[in-house]
Amino acid sequence: SYELTQPPSVSVSPGQTASITCSGDKVGDKYTSWYQQKPGQSPVMVIYQDYKRPSGIPERFSGSNSGNTATLTISETQAVDEADYYCQAWDSSTVVFGGGTKLTVL
Amino acid sequence: QVQLVQSGAEVKKPGASVRVSCKASGYTFTSYDINWVRQATGQGLEWMGWMNPNSGNTGSAQNFQGRVTMTRSTSISTAYMELTSLRSEDTAVYYCVRVTAGTMVRGANPSYYYYVDVWGKGTTVTVSS
Repeated sequence: SYELTQPPSVSVSPGQTASITCSGDKVGDKYTSWYQQKPGQSPVMVIYQDYKRPSGIPERFSGSNSGNTATLTISETQAVDEADYYCQAWDSSTVVFGGGTKLTVL
Repeated sequence: QVQLVQSGAEVKKPGASVRVSCKASGYTFTSYDINWVRQATGQGLEWMGWMNPNSGNTGSAQNFQGRVTMTRSTSISTAYMELTSLRSEDTAVYYCVRVTAGTMVRGANPSYYYYVDVWGKGTTVTVSS
């Protein structure tokens, strides 16, 4: 079965750029989405179709996808961005989630 | 506004079944797939399966095949997920989600996109003797 691999944790200083990767075999051939989840809340989509932002998502969130890696980039990271982030793709009629990355802003 | 309202928390004994409901509002229920995703405490998101509310067609993750049933009532815009033979490892928050799907050209070839654009608030299911 298809797998998406994320680093368990990423740390970033406020105002700096955070990058969270999502690795999978030829993931660049698939559309990926990213979700942000804060403690006690449902996830929220922050990126879809690799790089598109839903309305209401700040411009500092961006995405890219090529080869075997999709990347979520958060520019000028703020304390409010501290959360778990999950990538997701569709493969062989199944939804696949990455294992999640805890972003710490310190 | 678009909403998915789920039923309340459940406590079940091992071996029992649970049915979670998900009432959609603010959009045409039969126009978007409904999926179910669960999350155990402190763990990641686990996809369970999909349902097309228009046709009633379903598909489930291999881990749940034979144990999960997804149905709907189009007259009341409500989806249901039933999980049988519960065990302690099924203790989790169960999310009903709306999916937007389609095909777009990617490079030289068409590629399918499938993403969750609306999440319910989740239903906590606790399995304990």
